[in-house]
Amino acid sequence: AQTVTQSQPEMSVQEAETVTLSCTYDTSESNYYLFWYKQPPSRQMILVIRQEAYKQQNATENRFSVNFQKAAKSFSLKISDSQLGDTAMYFCAFMKGLVIQGAQKLVFGQGTRLTINP
Amino acid sequence: NAGVTQTPKFQVLKTGQSMTLQCAQDMNHEYMSWYRQDPGMGLRLIHYSVGAGITDQGEVPNGYNVSRSTTEDFPLRLLSAAPSQTSVYFCASSRRDEQYFGPGTRLTVT
Repeated sequence: AQTVTQSQPEMSVQEAETVTLSCTYDTSESNYYLFWYKQPPSRQMILVIRQEAYKQQNATENRFSVNFQKAAKSFSLKISDSQLGDTAMYFCAFMKGLVIQGAQKLVFGQGTRLTINP
Repeated sequence: NAGVTQTPKFQVLKTGQSMTLQCAQDMNHEYMSWYRQDPGMGLRLIHYSVGAGITDQGEVPNGYNVSRSTTEDFPLRLLSAAPSQTSVYFCASSRRDEQYFGPGTRLTVT
C-alpha cells in the first residue's frame, strides 16, 4: 500500500518570503501522479500543482513549483513571494498511474498548516 | 457548470440515526468518490465508483453504503450513525488524473 508523509504539521512565514513544504511517499509503483492541494478556511479543496512521475522536469505553476526527487521519493512544494491568500492547509497526495477500470484513488498526507504573516 | 455539489453543508445527528449525504456532478465524469477528513489524518477514501452501477470499497468503508444509479449522482448513506463518524465529508469526481472536489459536509454525531 502507498503511504504519504508530511512531517511539518505547521509552518509560518512572513509575506513575500519563500517557503518550502515537505512530502515523502512510499510506493513500489513506477508510474504514478503526485499532487499538492490547498485547503483554505473555506474548506474547498483546490488543486495547486500536479507532477507525473515519468516526467523528469519539475512542474511549475506561477509562484508554485515542486522539487521532485523520484529516487528519494520526495515531492516538496516551494511557494515564492508568499501572499496572505496562501494561508491554508496544504495536502500532498499520491495516485497510481495505471488506471484499471477507471479507478483513480488518491492517498493523502496528514497536511501542513501554513500561515503567511503580514 | 456547477461542478460538484454536496448537500447538506452541515448536519447534526444523534447516535443511531440514519441519513444520506448527497453528491452530484454535471461534468459527465465516470469516476466519483467519497472521502472523510479527520484532524491530523488528511483525507481517507470511503467508497468509490467507476461508473453507473459499479461501486467499490476504499480504505475506511465500514458504516457507510453507496450506490450509483446515474452518472451524475453518488449518495453516501450512514445506516446507524456513531460518534466515530463525526468528520468532514468530501465528494469528488474526476476525469483522468484531475479530481474535482465538492465543498464538503460537516457532520457531527452526538
